Amino acid sequence: AQSVSQHNHHVILSEAASLELGCNYSYGGTVNLFWYVQYPGQHLQLLLKYFSGDPLVKGIKGFEAEFIKSKFSFNLRKPSVQWSDTAEYFCAVNAVGSGNTGKLIFGQGTTLQVKP
Amino acid sequence: DTAVSQTPKYLVTQMGNDKSIKCEQNLGHDTMYWYKQDSKKFLKIMFSYNNKELIINETVPNRFSPKSPDKAHLNLHINSLELGDSAVYFCASSRSTGTDSNQPQHFGDGTRLSIL
Repeated sequence: AQSVSQHNHHVILSEAASLELGCNYSYGGTVNLFWYVQYPGQHLQLLLKYFSGDPLVKGIKGFEAEFIKSKFSFNLRKPSVQWSDTAEYFCAVNAVGSGNTGKLIFGQGTTLQVKP
Repeated sequence: DTAVSQTPKYLVTQMGNDKSIKCEQNLGHDTMYWYKQDSKKFLKIMFSYNNKELIINETVPNRFSPKSPDKAHLNLHINSLELGDSAVYFCASSRSTGTDSNQPQHFGDGTRLSIL
């Protein structure tokens, strides 16, 4: 069965600090990988996604993530966070291949709090 | 224009009641989903419909019954509500891409269900 693990549950940073949120998944086959963000009281929005090709993907708002297949990881990074990045961040995967249903498996989320 | 809209946004009701949550998407997608987000912010798939056909039915009590009158709508009816049903329920939609599933899901604003 697929599962996703986010190592950091609650991260507190000052503005301009660099960010890296860890995400590991367990699945033996090919996966699509996503990072979603949920701002307070809002719906989930897609930050970035990886399907194939360059393992370093760039998303919106200066975020990027790197897929390291050998480590089953898809860590999210941003060189300099802003107060407006305060939100909940979710890593998610779905399986590629016959019989898959598009079902997204989410990690437990990481709460990022950026202090002004 | 709201792409995925859910109603109501808040639902407060008593144990034992029956309630429905509605979801509509105007993106022309043919796959829709229901997710449950618990008090710890963990997101889990409940159901998915593709062109009005049920394709995902996770281990969800029979009290939960999704209905898709057309591919733009996916409603969720819950019978005999229990305290444990308190959560935020998110509707989502995506284009289906066969076995690739690389189309991101677009989420609604969520329905916060509170059982008294």
